[in-house]
Amino acid sequence: SQTIHQWPATLVQPVGSPLSLECTVEGTSNPNLYWYRQAAGRGLQLLFYSVGIGQISSEVPQNLSASRPQDRQFILSSKKLLLSDSGFYLCACNRPDQETQYFGPGTRLLVL
Amino acid sequence: GQSLEQPSEVTAVEGAIVQINCTYQTSGFYGLSWYQQHDGGAPTFLSYNALDGLEETGRFSSFLSRSDSYGYLLLQELQMKDSASYFCAVPRSGAARQLTFGSGTQLTVLP
Repeated sequence: SQTIHQWPATLVQPVGSPLSLECTVEGTSNPNLYWYRQAAGRGLQLLFYSVGIGQISSEVPQNLSASRPQDRQFILSSKKLLLSDSGFYLCACNRPDQETQYFGPGTRLLVL
Repeated sequence: GQSLEQPSEVTAVEGAIVQINCTYQTSGFYGLSWYQQHDGGAPTFLSYNALDGLEETGRFSSFLSRSDSYGYLLLQELQMKDSASYFCAVPRSGAARQLTFGSGTQLTVLP
């Protein structure tokens, strides 16, 4: 089964600083990959998804970007963080022929 | 578009049975999933219903009625460790199979 690694687990960054969150997947090839953000006590908001290397789709206009340089690597970035970027960032994957999504442990980001 | 409605909170006592409902509106329907998320943790998959009826997995069961655009998650013999948020979700059409999640139901199990 799939295993998703995310790091770091927790991150405190000043407003205006850059961001790079990495997600890697083991145990499957050619997965669909997703980035979600979750505000405290709220649901999951899909930010980006990717069906293959170099293929990125954005769900909402925002201060963030994503890249997929390798089949099982998904990166979330920002050039200048905003206070509103604080939240719990979750990477997820699924096999293209399955509905089940598997989530990584998440990165808790606090922008001060 | 897609939208899902579920109650924001449910409280029950240990050993009891609780049902968490989910109604959905979608332009195309492929199935209804349920995920569990403990405080501070990541969501984990519980069940997926593509067809009408009840699917049972241990103490948890999930039901779907496509004609009513409705499903529920049934938790039996509640344990303290079942205190968590529960999300229903539906996939969209297309290769990416993006999920749209409900806002979640916070279940509190009391001793």
